[in-house]
Amino acid sequence: GESVGLHLPTLSVQEGDNSIINCAYSNSASDYFIWYKQESGKGPQFIIDIRSNMDKRQGQRVTVLLNKTVKHLSLQIAATQPGDSAVYFCAENLGDSWGKLQFGAGTQVVVTP
Amino acid sequence: ETGVTQSPTHLIKTRGQQVTLRCSSQSGHNTVSWYQQALGQGPQFIFQYYREEENGRGNFPPRFSGLQFPNYSSELNVNALELDDSALYLCARSPGPGNSSDEQFFGPGTRLTVL
Repeated sequence: GESVGLHLPTLSVQEGDNSIINCAYSNSASDYFIWYKQESGKGPQFIIDIRSNMDKRQGQRVTVLLNKTVKHLSLQIAATQPGDSAVYFCAENLGDSWGKLQFGAGTQVVVTP
Repeated sequence: ETGVTQSPTHLIKTRGQQVTLRCSSQSGHNTVSWYQQALGQGPQFIFQYYREEENGRGNFPPRFSGLQFPNYSSELNVNALELDDSALYLCARSPGPGNSSDEQFFGPGTRLTVL
């Protein structure tokens, strides 16, 4: 079937290695950021979020880093597994109102054995 | 499971036709947002409804319209379909302003193809 990740930047990672996915955001007024995972044929799935008053937040096998100075966001996945293969999007709230998200272009992560 | 369902899963229409897409979720999610995701791109915000009123709109023409009902279900209507409207349409539910979490729960989407 068709792939959500068609034409997207691709990150190839060996199983067991750590993955780092980067994202640049545009709105300096954004105060809330989310990472989503999207598998083919499915809607985006929440991974982890962070507010602008933090620079790091950890979840289960995932860490999000926020650098407001350069408007940069990253997602680190520890011990990448085959089930982590998907397209990953960062999203920021639009700043003018609550709950309206602007998504980045996405990164296709391919986990190889 | 996000508790958000969308129907239909797939739909084929021709240029100039009208389409209605539907979204429903468990109670307690009184805010619904609709997004359009073209192939190979991130979702683009269309509009948001809160307590049955439009609460913000992205850069989409008026032929994109919506409704939210008291039972928290929602519709996205698109008139005068164009080829570029072919996309995955996503519905996202969230608890609403004032809640401690801004997390949005996405449905699986409706794949619309315009021929």
